[in-house]
Amino acid sequence: AQKITQTQPGMFVQEKEAVTLDCTYDTSDPSYGLFWYKQPSSGEMIFLIYQGSYDQQNATEGRYSLNFQKARKSANLVISASQLGDSAMYFCAMRGGYNTDKLIFGTGTRLQVFP
Amino acid sequence: ETGVTQTPRHLVMGMTNKKSLKCEQHLGHNAMYWYKQSAKKPLELMFVYNFKEQTENNSVPSRFSPECPNSSHLFLHLHTLQPEDSALYLCASSQDLRGETETQYFGPGTRLLVL
Repeated sequence: AQKITQTQPGMFVQEKEAVTLDCTYDTSDPSYGLFWYKQPSSGEMIFLIYQGSYDQQNATEGRYSLNFQKARKSANLVISASQLGDSAMYFCAMRGGYNTDKLIFGTGTRLQVFP
Repeated sequence: ETGVTQTPRHLVMGMTNKKSLKCEQHLGHNAMYWYKQSAKKPLELMFVYNFKEQTENNSVPSRFSPECPNSSHLFLHLHTLQPEDSALYLCASSQDLRGETETQYFGPGTRLLVL
């Protein structure tokens, strides 16, 4: 069975600092995709970044990067130069294999950025 | 703005009411999804549609009735709901249904309160 684990219910970071949000996963699929979403208090789930299991390089999108360690089954999100607008819930998700249409989500981490 | 809209954004209804949630995507996608997000729980997949055909019903009670008249529109018809059905209901779409690279794009959600 596939599973996503986010062990940090809440994180605090000062503005302009970097922060790492942890995500570990479990799957038996040889091929899978990992996603991070941001959910502000307004409710919308905003797609941030994607990492494929066969990608050789860590994914980056602007201030977001994914620290992908396949052997450890971890896919941590790194946000550089935090901004007040980064305060939100962050969800790690996984989708496995060609025959799987489900996106499995973790329980999320609430990030608070303070001045 | 992700190209997925949902109406209404907020809804309060009694247990005997009938109401409908609407989702529309402007991304030219073929797959659409309904999710339920309750407090302190991971997102729960409810229904999946691919090319207007329902491909997944994740053991959802019959008081939730989905309808997908075309690839751009998805409805969730609600009747005789229970207070525990109060949650954020999120709609999402993706280009195709299968494949680990398929990114789902979400709407802003409907916050439902059942009294």
